[in-house]
Amino acid sequence: AQSVTQLGSHVSVSEGALVLLRCNYSSSVPPYLFWYVQYPNQGLQLLLKYTSAATLVKGINGFEAEFKKSETSFHLTKPSAHMSDAAEYFCAVRNTNAGKSTFGDGTTLTVKP
Amino acid sequence: DGGITQSPKYLFRKEGQNVTLSCEQNLNHDAMYWYRQDPGQGLRLIYYSQIVNDFQKGDIAEGYSVSREKKESFPLTVTSAQKNPTAFYLCASSSLLSSGNTIYFGEGSWLTVV
Repeated sequence: AQSVTQLGSHVSVSEGALVLLRCNYSSSVPPYLFWYVQYPNQGLQLLLKYTSAATLVKGINGFEAEFKKSETSFHLTKPSAHMSDAAEYFCAVRNTNAGKSTFGDGTTLTVKP
Repeated sequence: DGGITQSPKYLFRKEGQNVTLSCEQNLNHDAMYWYRQDPGQGLRLIYYSQIVNDFQKGDIAEGYSVSREKKESFPLTVTSAQKNPTAFYLCASSSLLSSGNTIYFGEGSWLTVV
């Protein structure tokens, strides 16, 4: 079984501030982990993914995430928020290449000027 | 360009009608998925298919049906048995060959019951 918990359905930061979106997972086997971003009325776009290589994963738009097995976490960070980062972010877990993905409930990021 | 095309973007359904949402991909992916997204909520899996002429129910398959007659196409029918169909529907696909397969999404379709 696998599951994902995103802590905080809404996160608000000021422009230029650190962005931290939290994701904890549960998986019976080593997982693949993903972060996606969704802009209004659009599909999801991959930000980054962890596939058992480096634990610190760098993605697009300056985002990165660190896989911490001991904490079963895969938090998403960005050093300095831009207005264009305002969107909904989803964390997802997948056990095997052929397995289904499980998505978290999403975190809406608001960036204040 | 390679990608996933969903149509229509907006669809209105009357009570008791069946409607079909189209999904086509030219990424040569084996697996295709349909998700439902309600406002302010996450994605819930309706159906998925890993090979032509085969598909499996997801977490909320009741009131929906699919077919996979061609590798590139995975249409979703929302039947009259689906009591609360108003939602945003996302089609997705992925390869089954590479490690940590990324799921690629279409732009989504809004279905509203009128």
